[in-house]
Amino acid sequence: GIQVEQSPPDLILQEGANSTLRCNFSDSVNNLQWFHQNPWGQLINLFYIPSGTKQNGRLSATTVATERYSLLYISSSQTTDSGVYFCAVTNLYSGGGADGLTFGKGTHLIIQP
Amino acid sequence: DAMVIQNPRYQVTQFGKPVTLSCSQTLNHNVMYWYQQKSSQAPKLLFHYYDKDFNNEADTPDNFQSRRPNTSFCFLDIRSPGLGDAAMYLCATSRDRQGDYTDTQYFGPGTRLTVL
Repeated sequence: GIQVEQSPPDLILQEGANSTLRCNFSDSVNNLQWFHQNPWGQLINLFYIPSGTKQNGRLSATTVATERYSLLYISSSQTTDSGVYFCAVTNLYSGGGADGLTFGKGTHLIIQP
Repeated sequence: DAMVIQNPRYQVTQFGKPVTLSCSQTLNHNVMYWYQQKSSQAPKLLFHYYDKDFNNEADTPDNFQSRRPNTSFCFLDIRSPGLGDAAMYLCATSRDRQGDYTDTQYFGPGTRLTVL
């Protein structure tokens, strides 16, 4: 199956800093989503971005599908940004009309005041 | 607001005692998924329903079953829970494939299962 690698695995920053999280995937995708998992375990949708660039406030994401990677940018970090960030994809060649997501192992982000 | 709802949020069961987790959605999506997330790990797909068609992942244990009586509801049954089944169980929904792309998946808040 498709492999998803996220880096870095852990990141500790001071409040106000900027960060870049990376997601590499091993095959063509037809879905890529970025999530923030909050301390209660809920997965919060950040972006649906199988290709291109999107921005939402302090967050933005870029997926370069031809080079099989995606980047999540967080600017002016706040303590509430802390948590685990997951990248998840579906494989273009897995077939079917609906496929489950394959998740990376996540980046654990800690924002210190 | 349209949403994905999971009940209960916390479930405690005894080793070997069957347990059922429920998921409902007001999004009218035709696809529903169940994921298992163990502590400090990534979510892992167990199975999904495409309308009434059940699609099991190859490595999902037989101990896990699912039912979807209608579009809005989906259940996860664990027939004989073991200690290794303690995890967060996440339900998700999506619309059908949109052209070449599978659609956004929306997740519920999860049910945290403890096995004693």
